[in-house]
Amino acid sequence: EAGVAQSPRYKIIEKRQSVAFWCNPISGHATLYWYQQILGQGPKLLIQFQNNGVVDDSQLPKDRFSAERLKGVDSTLKIQPAKLEDSAVYLCASSLWQLQETQYFGPGTRLLVL
Amino acid sequence: KQEVTQIPAALSVPEGENLVLNCSFTDSAIYNLQWFRQDPGKGLTSLLLIQSSQREQTSGRLNASLDKSSGRSTLYIAASQPGDSATYLCAVRRTAGNKLTFGGGTRVLVKP
Repeated sequence: EAGVAQSPRYKIIEKRQSVAFWCNPISGHATLYWYQQILGQGPKLLIQFQNNGVVDDSQLPKDRFSAERLKGVDSTLKIQPAKLEDSAVYLCASSLWQLQETQYFGPGTRLLVL
Repeated sequence: KQEVTQIPAALSVPEGENLVLNCSFTDSAIYNLQWFRQDPGKGLTSLLLIQSSQREQTSGRLNASLDKSSGRSTLYIAASQPGDSATYLCAVRRTAGNKLTFGGGTRVLVKP
């Protein structure tokens, strides 16, 4: 089966610009996660979707970050405006359903904000 | 608030030596603990998952132990190989379906 797909793989922008990341989860997976991984740190959950509804967005900086999962399949994560500290790898993961413990991770999008 | 720590941040060993990776967490009320592997430029791959009622889990050369009362888990990799070079992350889950809280990872280099 195809894995979790993410694009772009790399992005370089200047601070105050906006950027968007796209994630296509494994077919049939109802739960989708976005994580932020700053260099040298473990991933931090930004937002969790169950189908197209938000389960947990407690650590999402809502003044600049937004995410949506229209139709409960693909998802986009947007940052507007970007700050230097947003430089990180943004990982998308999916699982069959919320209580399934195995999350399958995509390769990530590496963002550099100058 | 749960905090997960992995020390050391980096480790280098000669091929064939056993690897011992440590993970500690501040809140012992966990549902389960998971070990992941991350290769450069790639996502995370789950290695082992230990439920809170278990003491250890084994898969091939990998063995993970869990001591909930002391807030510690250890991942053992026997007879290390250069292909084991990667970053290893542990993560804990507070309740079923709850988010994972990750440690910072240990970057491992196995020298041929």
